[in-house]
Amino acid sequence: NAGVTQTPKFQVLKTGQSMTLQCAQDMNHEYMSWYRQDPGMGLRLIHYSVGAGITDQGEVPNGYNVSRSTTEDFPLRLLSAAPSQTSVYFCASSQGGVNTEAFFGQGTRLTVV
Amino acid sequence: AQKITQTQPGMFVQEKEAVTLDCTYDTSDQSYGLFWYKQPSSGEMIFLIYQGSYDEQNATEGRYSLNFQKARKSANLVISASQLGDSAMYFCASDAGGTSYGKLTFGQGTILTVHP
Repeated sequence: NAGVTQTPKFQVLKTGQSMTLQCAQDMNHEYMSWYRQDPGMGLRLIHYSVGAGITDQGEVPNGYNVSRSTTEDFPLRLLSAAPSQTSVYFCASSQGGVNTEAFFGQGTRLTVV
Repeated sequence: AQKITQTQPGMFVQEKEAVTLDCTYDTSDQSYGLFWYKQPSSGEMIFLIYQGSYDEQNATEGRYSLNFQKARKSANLVISASQLGDSAMYFCASDAGGTSYGKLTFGQGTILTVHP
């Protein structure tokens, strides 16, 4: 099983460019999330989905869009990249319920110049 | 809303000794889960251990145990017999039940360094 796959692993963008970070999971998990990790801080929730067609905002949603058309995929779109979005982005999935861990992708290191 | 506080930015331990990493949480939810994740220098997030709010027994997974004190709202991670490979960043996290499964709130992390 591949688990949670994120692409790309590294990306450099210019200010104002847009791009999509891809996330796919093959565990048939209903719950998927995007987090960002900045230096000296823990992970912060950007957007969240409890199933295909259902998304919700997390703690830091501004500047990001998501949609979930299938159970497997949960892409994160940066509409107009800003230097403040330089971060490491993690996608995670979980099956929900008691005592279920979140499985994380390997992360995408994004630099906006 | 949930809040996780890890007050130890860095911890040092001698190889083969035990170490406790502190975590306190603040939540108004009746049902919640507490997690510990390890992040080595390579960057991936590795799940270590879980404790449910209704679990009366402290969780254990191999060398990891979670010292859960509900009244004090603390969920400290105890690593026994530390190994050099335990050197990493450790995050405490929580989620609420129901539709908030997997919607994790993280602490700021503790960097653990294991000395030979």
